[in-house]
Amino acid sequence: DGGITQSPKYLFRKEGQNVTLSCEQNLNHDAMYWYRQDPGQGLRLIYYSQIVNDFQKGDIAEGYSVSREKKESFPLTVTSAQKNPTAFYLCASSIVGRAEAFFGQGTRLTVV
Amino acid sequence: DQQVKQNSPSLSVQEGRISILNCDYTNSMFDYFLWYKKYPAEGPTFLISISSIKDKNEDGRFTVFLNKSAKHLSLHIVPSQPGDSAVYFCAGHYGGSQGNLIFGKGTKLSVKP
Repeated sequence: DGGITQSPKYLFRKEGQNVTLSCEQNLNHDAMYWYRQDPGQGLRLIYYSQIVNDFQKGDIAEGYSVSREKKESFPLTVTSAQKNPTAFYLCASSIVGRAEAFFGQGTRLTVV
Repeated sequence: DQQVKQNSPSLSVQEGRISILNCDYTNSMFDYFLWYKKYPAEGPTFLISISSIKDKNEDGRFTVFLNKSAKHLSLHIVPSQPGDSAVYFCAGHYGGSQGNLIFGKGTKLSVKP
């Protein structure tokens, strides 16, 4: 089955620890994205990548880092510098130049 | 500043009636507009889109209307079903090299039996 897999679905971390969220896709899409959703808010873009070994900051990149070593994978690291890391994180992918993006099931990160 | 606005946080409709979800935008550079449906604790699923050069697109029970002069679009669901109850996000797409989606804050639709 083609799709986007995010793992884990729920993640708990202590304040001050870095944590990495996984995102894998087998849709053969070149473009991948990370969004963050907070209660009552829309989805805000953290980082995106349109090709392997290249990525760009989105609107709220501070406190986050990414890598794109393989076409299928776009992991997101939430660092201790992110002031409000507790949120629902969504990964998406698309064909470059196409509007429609496909989303994973999301990871709920709770930092205590 | 919000480029895509959904001014109604919630909407309640009776089963079988029409649901109309509204969206306003400020950026004239969007080349496509999309609607996504989202259940709690799940990722959004794509519903329907419309090119900025069109004024209407229909897919089954779902129709999207675009009024470029008013910078307004709407999603019509007819007839509404209880399974349509979800949060609906409107998004504008930047074309060209960026290719990003800008989302509104969503409207929670409740369809009552």
